[in-house]
Amino acid sequence: SQQGEEDPQALSIQEGENATMNCSYKTSINNLQWYRQNSGRGLVHLILIRSNEREKHSGRLRVTLDTSKKSSSLLITASRAADTASYFCAGRGNAGNMLTFGGGTRLMVKP
Amino acid sequence: GAVVSQHPSRVICKSGTSVKIECRSLDFQATTMFWYRQFPKQSLMLMATSNEGSKATYEQGVEKDKFLINHASLTLSTLTVTSAHPEDSSFYICSARYPGQGPKNTEAFFGQGTRLTVV
Repeated sequence: SQQGEEDPQALSIQEGENATMNCSYKTSINNLQWYRQNSGRGLVHLILIRSNEREKHSGRLRVTLDTSKKSSSLLITASRAADTASYFCAGRGNAGNMLTFGGGTRLMVKP
Repeated sequence: GAVVSQHPSRVICKSGTSVKIECRSLDFQATTMFWYRQFPKQSLMLMATSNEGSKATYEQGVEKDKFLINHASLTLSTLTVTSAHPEDSSFYICSARYPGQGPKNTEAFFGQGTRLTVV
């Protein structure tokens, strides 16, 4: 079963604009992670936020976590054409072992 | 970072044949590996958790006899799709978790994926 639901499912923006993707999850998590997937490729880890954290930054990435609403957002600032990919959130439960993924947001950044 | 290699990246097979996909952790020992399946424009669905030296744990709805998993060493897990049918065509991705405690243990490291087409 999927842990998260992502919103929007698809997003198309112009280069230079900011892209915001949201993720909601169902059960308690120990941490939430965001991954990127280029078409037909494996996943690349972007950023992790722990359940006791509210916001985290990494370069042009900003992720927030609201455990009361069971939601997270990923903001990519000053987007580039190379950011075009699918982005997934994944929650790791308190049992620790397994990641379950949301449906993903397909981001297209037009040059 | 830790490297996970998956092979082959693409495979086309005839209906009724079996296909083996390998997942290797190249620079660390992975006691646990995970196998996912992904349909076009959809998310990753966990199929099974592969534990070194023991039987894999399959998710509900995944046929054990159809998707054979072997994790015979700390660096290799294999997924064999037996008697493949066109509906098994999909993108299969493995991931491995870094052992022990520490920052690397929290994220998953993914293989490049295998595109299986059954004709």
